[in-house]
Amino acid sequence: TQLLEQSPQFLSIQEGENLTVYCNSSSVFSSLQWYRQEPGEGPVLLVTVVTGGEVKKLKRLTFQFGDARKDSSLHITAAQPGDTGLYLCAGLSSNTGKLIFGQGTTLQVKP
Amino acid sequence: SAVISQKPSRDICQRGTSLTIQCQVDSQVTMMFWYRQQPGQSLTLIATANQGSEATYESGFVIDKFPISRPNLTFSTLTVSNMSPEDSSIYLCSVTPGPDTQYFGPGTRLTVL
Repeated sequence: TQLLEQSPQFLSIQEGENLTVYCNSSSVFSSLQWYRQEPGEGPVLLVTVVTGGEVKKLKRLTFQFGDARKDSSLHITAAQPGDTGLYLCAGLSSNTGKLIFGQGTTLQVKP
Repeated sequence: SAVISQKPSRDICQRGTSLTIQCQVDSQVTMMFWYRQQPGQSLTLIATANQGSEATYESGFVIDKFPISRPNLTFSTLTVSNMSPEDSSIYLCSVTPGPDTQYFGPGTRLTVL
Protein backbone atom coordinates (compact mmCIF):
# COMPACT_ATOMS: atom_id res chain seq x y z
CA THR A 1 0.00 0.00 0.00
CA GLN A 2 1.38 3.37 -0.99
CA LEU A 3 1.37 5.97 1.76
CA LEU A 4 2.25 9.65 1.88
CA GLU A 5 3.36 11.03 5.22
CA GLN A 6 2.74 14.75 5.41
CA SER A 7 4.21 16.95 8.14
CA PRO A 8 3.62 18.96 10.12
CA GLN A 9 -0.10 18.41 10.56
CA PHE A 10 -0.63 21.79 12.19
CA LEU A 11 1.31 25.00 11.89
CA SER A 12 0.54 28.37 13.45
CA ILE A 13 2.92 31.19 12.57
CA GLN A 14 3.12 34.96 12.46
CA GLU A 15 2.79 36.95 9.28
CA GLY A 16 6.16 37.33 7.58
CA GLU A 17 7.61 34.03 8.73
CA ASN A 18 8.76 31.26 6.40
CA LEU A 19 7.60 27.66 6.54
CA THR A 20 8.09 24.32 4.87
CA VAL A 21 5.67 21.42 4.55
CA TYR A 22 6.96 17.95 3.73
CA CYS A 23 5.48 14.90 2.05
CA ASN A 24 7.44 11.66 2.22
CA SER A 25 6.90 8.16 0.98
CA SER A 26 8.80 4.93 0.45
CA SER A 27 7.05 4.60 -2.91
CA VAL A 28 7.73 6.24 -6.25
CA PHE A 29 4.98 8.38 -7.74
CA SER A 30 4.39 9.33 -11.36
CA SER A 31 3.70 12.88 -10.25
CA LEU A 32 2.81 14.81 -7.16
CA GLN A 33 0.18 17.47 -6.77
CA TRP A 34 -0.25 20.16 -4.13
CA TYR A 35 -3.66 21.54 -3.21
CA ARG A 36 -4.92 24.28 -0.93
CA GLN A 37 -8.36 24.09 0.59
CA GLU A 38 -10.24 26.82 2.39
CA PRO A 39 -13.19 26.14 4.71
CA GLY A 40 -16.37 25.38 2.81
CA GLU A 41 -14.61 24.87 -0.49
CA GLY A 42 -13.06 22.02 -2.44
CA PRO A 43 -9.29 21.59 -2.81
CA VAL A 44 -7.74 23.89 -5.42
CA LEU A 45 -4.82 22.58 -7.43
CA LEU A 46 -1.71 24.70 -6.90
CA VAL A 47 0.89 22.79 -8.86
CA THR A 48 1.85 19.42 -10.31
CA VAL A 49 5.47 18.26 -10.27
CA VAL A 50 6.41 15.43 -12.56
CA THR A 51 10.18 15.21 -13.00
CA GLY A 52 12.56 14.10 -10.25
CA GLY A 53 14.39 17.15 -8.88
CA GLU A 54 11.89 19.54 -10.40
CA VAL A 55 11.38 22.90 -8.72
CA LYS A 56 8.36 25.09 -9.44
CA LYS A 57 7.63 28.53 -8.09
CA LEU A 58 4.25 30.16 -7.69
CA LYS A 59 4.83 33.68 -6.32
CA ARG A 60 5.95 33.10 -2.71
CA LEU A 61 5.43 29.33 -2.90
CA THR A 62 8.24 26.99 -3.97
CA PHE A 63 7.52 23.34 -4.70
CA GLN A 64 10.16 20.67 -5.04
CA PHE A 65 9.94 17.05 -6.17
CA GLY A 66 12.62 14.74 -4.81
CA ASP A 67 15.17 13.26 -7.20
CA ALA A 68 13.74 9.78 -6.63
CA ARG A 69 10.12 11.00 -6.95
CA LYS A 70 9.31 9.72 -3.47
CA ASP A 71 9.06 13.01 -1.62
CA SER A 72 8.14 16.63 -2.07
CA SER A 73 8.19 19.90 -0.19
CA LEU A 74 6.29 23.15 -0.21
CA HIS A 75 8.09 26.24 1.05
CA ILE A 76 6.24 29.50 1.68
CA THR A 77 8.25 32.68 2.03
CA ALA A 78 6.96 35.61 4.08
CA ALA A 79 3.62 33.99 4.87
CA GLN A 80 0.51 36.15 4.82
CA PRO A 81 -2.88 35.68 6.50
CA GLY A 82 -4.32 34.87 3.07
CA ASP A 83 -2.14 31.74 3.01
CA THR A 84 -4.21 30.26 5.82
CA GLY A 85 -5.82 26.97 4.86
CA LEU A 86 -5.42 23.24 4.57
CA TYR A 87 -2.54 22.16 2.34
CA LEU A 88 -2.70 18.70 0.81
CA CYS A 89 -0.12 16.76 -1.12
CA ALA A 90 -1.24 13.91 -3.36
CA GLY A 91 0.86 11.43 -5.27
CA LEU A 92 -0.31 9.80 -8.46
CA SER A 93 0.21 6.06 -8.25
CA SER A 94 1.68 4.61 -11.41
CA ASN A 95 0.19 1.24 -10.42
CA THR A 96 -3.42 2.25 -9.95
CA GLY A 97 -3.70 5.68 -11.58
CA LYS A 98 -5.26 6.98 -8.38
CA LEU A 99 -4.23 9.86 -6.15
CA ILE A 100 -2.83 9.01 -2.75
CA PHE A 101 -3.36 11.90 -0.34
CA GLY A 102 -1.23 12.96 2.57
CA GLN A 103 -2.89 13.73 5.91
CA GLY A 104 -2.89 17.45 5.23
CA THR A 105 -1.28 20.44 6.94
CA THR A 106 -3.50 23.03 8.56
CA LEU A 107 -1.74 26.38 8.34
CA GLN A 108 -2.76 29.42 10.30
CA VAL A 109 -0.98 32.70 9.63
CA LYS A 110 -1.66 35.34 12.26
CA PRO A 111 -1.55 39.02 11.34
CA SER B 1 -8.93 23.04 -16.34
CA ALA B 2 -12.47 22.00 -15.54
CA VAL B 3 -15.32 23.75 -13.79
CA ILE B 4 -17.25 21.45 -11.48
CA SER B 5 -20.47 22.15 -9.64
CA GLN B 6 -22.15 20.11 -6.95
CA LYS B 7 -25.66 20.09 -5.58
CA PRO B 8 -26.62 20.49 -2.85
CA SER B 9 -23.83 22.51 -1.30
CA ARG B 10 -24.95 21.42 2.14
CA ASP B 11 -27.76 19.50 3.77
CA ILE B 12 -28.94 18.38 7.18
CA CYS B 13 -30.62 14.98 7.10
CA GLN B 14 -32.31 12.63 9.49
CA ARG B 15 -30.90 9.26 10.39
CA GLY B 16 -32.15 6.47 8.11
CA THR B 17 -32.84 8.67 5.10
CA SER B 18 -30.88 8.91 1.84
CA LEU B 19 -29.36 11.85 0.01
CA THR B 20 -28.33 12.06 -3.64
CA ILE B 21 -25.49 14.41 -4.52
CA GLN B 22 -25.10 15.65 -8.06
CA CYS B 23 -21.85 16.52 -9.83
CA GLN B 24 -21.78 18.43 -13.12
CA VAL B 25 -18.66 19.16 -15.19
CA ASP B 26 -18.34 21.74 -17.94
CA SER B 27 -16.49 19.36 -20.27
CA GLN B 28 -16.57 15.69 -21.14
CA VAL B 29 -14.33 13.54 -18.96
CA THR B 30 -13.79 9.81 -18.88
CA MET B 31 -13.14 9.34 -15.19
CA MET B 32 -14.93 10.91 -12.26
CA PHE B 33 -14.09 10.27 -8.65
CA TRP B 34 -16.02 10.57 -5.41
CA TYR B 35 -14.23 11.37 -2.16
CA ARG B 36 -15.20 11.76 1.46
CA GLN B 37 -13.52 14.25 3.77
CA GLN B 38 -14.23 14.30 7.46
CA PRO B 39 -13.83 17.66 9.22
CA GLY B 40 -10.22 18.85 9.33
CA GLN B 41 -8.97 15.69 7.69
CA SER B 42 -7.65 14.55 4.35
CA LEU B 43 -9.56 12.96 1.49
CA THR B 44 -10.57 9.33 1.21
CA LEU B 45 -11.51 7.91 -2.18
CA ILE B 46 -14.93 6.26 -2.20
CA ALA B 47 -15.16 5.12 -5.81
CA THR B 48 -14.22 5.74 -9.42
CA ALA B 49 -17.08 6.25 -11.87
CA ASN B 50 -16.57 5.65 -15.57
CA GLN B 51 -19.31 6.28 -18.07
CA GLY B 52 -20.90 3.11 -19.36
CA SER B 53 -19.64 0.82 -16.64
CA GLU B 54 -20.25 0.13 -12.98
CA ALA B 55 -18.37 2.19 -10.46
CA THR B 56 -15.30 0.71 -8.83
CA TYR B 57 -15.38 0.98 -5.04
CA GLU B 58 -12.46 1.26 -2.65
CA SER B 59 -12.01 -0.97 0.33
CA GLY B 60 -14.53 -0.12 3.03
CA PHE B 61 -17.13 1.29 0.65
CA VAL B 62 -19.95 -0.73 -0.92
CA ILE B 63 -22.46 -0.11 -3.64
CA ASP B 64 -25.48 -0.69 -1.41
CA LYS B 65 -24.40 2.16 0.85
CA PHE B 66 -23.03 4.51 -1.84
CA PRO B 67 -24.74 3.80 -5.16
CA ILE B 68 -23.29 5.85 -8.02
CA SER B 69 -24.69 6.73 -11.41
CA ARG B 70 -22.72 7.97 -14.44
CA PRO B 71 -25.25 8.46 -17.23
CA ASN B 72 -22.97 10.56 -19.46
CA LEU B 73 -19.52 12.11 -19.71
CA THR B 74 -20.39 15.31 -17.82
CA PHE B 75 -22.56 14.13 -14.94
CA SER B 76 -22.56 11.76 -11.99
CA THR B 77 -24.51 11.21 -8.79
CA LEU B 78 -23.55 9.70 -5.46
CA THR B 79 -26.26 8.54 -3.06
CA VAL B 80 -25.56 8.17 0.63
CA SER B 81 -28.09 5.56 1.75
CA ASN B 82 -29.62 4.80 5.14
CA MET B 83 -27.58 7.54 6.72
CA SER B 84 -26.19 7.58 10.23
CA PRO B 85 -24.34 10.35 12.08
CA GLU B 86 -21.06 8.67 11.09
CA ASP B 87 -21.81 9.65 7.48
CA SER B 88 -21.53 13.34 8.37
CA SER B 89 -18.74 14.55 6.10
CA ILE B 90 -17.91 16.61 3.08
CA TYR B 91 -18.43 14.70 -0.15
CA LEU B 92 -16.39 15.80 -3.15
CA CYS B 93 -16.38 14.84 -6.79
CA SER B 94 -13.34 15.28 -8.96
CA VAL B 95 -12.24 14.80 -12.56
CA THR B 96 -9.02 14.32 -14.48
CA PRO B 97 -9.32 16.28 -17.71
CA GLY B 98 -5.67 15.74 -18.50
CA PRO B 99 -2.61 13.82 -17.34
CA ASP B 100 -1.32 14.65 -13.87
CA THR B 101 -4.18 17.03 -13.13
CA GLN B 102 -7.21 16.46 -10.96
CA TYR B 103 -9.80 19.09 -10.19
CA PHE B 104 -12.34 19.08 -7.41
CA GLY B 105 -15.84 20.35 -7.01
CA PRO B 106 -16.77 22.65 -4.12
CA GLY B 107 -18.07 19.77 -2.03
CA THR B 108 -21.34 18.87 -0.34
CA ARG B 109 -21.34 19.29 3.43
CA LEU B 110 -23.61 16.65 4.95
CA THR B 111 -24.78 16.60 8.55
CA VAL B 112 -26.78 13.61 9.76
CA LEU B 113 -28.76 14.02 12.95
